[in-house]
Amino acid sequence: GAVVSQHPSWVICKSGTSVKIECRSLDFQATTMFWYRQFPKQSLMLMATSNEGSKATYEQGVEKDKFLINHASLTLSTLTVTSAHPEDSSFYICSAQYPGGKKGAGGYEQYFGPGTRLTVT
Amino acid sequence: RKEVEQDPGPFNVPEGATVAFNCTYSNSASQSFFWYRQDCRKEPKLLMSVYSSGNEDGRFTAQLNRASQYISLLIRDSKLSDSATYLCVVFYPGAGSYQLTFGKGTKLSVIP
Repeated sequence: GAVVSQHPSWVICKSGTSVKIECRSLDFQATTMFWYRQFPKQSLMLMATSNEGSKATYEQGVEKDKFLINHASLTLSTLTVTSAHPEDSSFYICSAQYPGGKKGAGGYEQYFGPGTRLTVT
Repeated sequence: RKEVEQDPGPFNVPEGATVAFNCTYSNSASQSFFWYRQDCRKEPKLLMSVYSSGNEDGRFTAQLNRASQYISLLIRDSKLSDSATYLCVVFYPGAGSYQLTFGKGTKLSVIP
């Protein structure tokens, strides 16, 4: 259980185009999903928190008009990188908050999708 | 201030060795703690949740010291497949969110 899928796994696009990344929880419902970005040899950096049925909450320094998030259902969140530029090239990873966390863990365990490697040329 | 700090590494150990990772966190209001492992160019995978009483899962033992704001992970009888980056992760509650804060990770290489 607790499987999260992400699509596509990698994408190459031209500067100025938009790219949509999908994140799905396959065997559980996730009211909260998260989008992270990881540059080489760096730690994961949270970009935004995606809540089903409401607007996403963005971290400081993340442009909400550039990184559009839609959490339309309990199993799907999408991240659209609009007008992508080479500096947006990165590893984008989503996670879903797993409601059935082990006793004592407060139910805050997150499971990650396999990531999307975006290259903007 | 949200901060999770880990041993810088890398740790290079022979097969069969015991290796320990340490982690400190700055926010005393932290509620939940986890160890994740991340293989090169892959997503993080949950290894263990860390409970107040400490917990063990096979060759892996996690300890939590709330007074010292310190978390540890012990790996016994290291295998080649244990080679990865180990991430210390802390949950900070606040404003209705459930955000995790990641340490930068400690890289482990188990050598034949």
